[in-house]
Amino acid sequence: AQSVAQPEDQVNVAEGNPLTVKCTYSVSGNPYLFWYVQYPNRGLQFLLKYITGDNLVKGSYGFEAEFNKSQTSFHLKKPSALVSDSALYFCAGRTGYALNFGKGTSLLVTP
Amino acid sequence: GAGVSQSPSNKVTEKGKDVELRCDPISGHTALYWYRQSLGQGLEFLIYFQGNSAPDKSGLPSDRFSAERTGGSVSTLTIQRTQQEDSAVYLCASSFRLAGGSSYNEQFFGPGTRLTVL
Repeated sequence: AQSVAQPEDQVNVAEGNPLTVKCTYSVSGNPYLFWYVQYPNRGLQFLLKYITGDNLVKGSYGFEAEFNKSQTSFHLKKPSALVSDSALYFCAGRTGYALNFGKGTSLLVTP
Repeated sequence: GAGVSQSPSNKVTEKGKDVELRCDPISGHTALYWYRQSLGQGLEFLIYFQGNSAPDKSGLPSDRFSAERTGGSVSTLTIQRTQQEDSAVYLCASSFRLAGGSSYNEQFFGPGTRLTVL
């Protein structure tokens, strides 16, 4: 089973600044980790995943995530935030065929 | 190409009524999933289909909930005798399943059905 935790309910960042949305995981076995984004009144959109290989995973819309085994973390990052990045972000781990989602982190990017 | 579609987008019903929620997955995706999103519980897994069979029903919250999938495509989630605590957004997702093993592929989500039980 794989569970994830998102320690921050909300992250605020100014446009143009780097952003980080935190996720930690707890797994038995190999971790399979995902990031999704949800815009208001929309479904979840896949951003990126870590299965194996390079610790730095690049995804959609300029996002990337760093897998850190020693810290059991999988933080989502972007070098320069856009106002349009404001949304709800979910980290997820896999148990069987299901995804176990964190509670979500609301990202607000201000102009 | 077309994504996952769900209908209706919104459903308001009275307590005690039955409701049916429909999901049309991405063409060619053999795996289909139902999740529920609510303020109090976050995102919860309900059920998984591989083809027309459901090997994992572990997330269904009660026997009032059932789901079926026909022709390896469309799925219907049925909630009988709805209760107010069933109010939530019901999300459907689909994915490829890699041949010979577990699916490591990302799941693609539909826009959801917002269910309100009065």
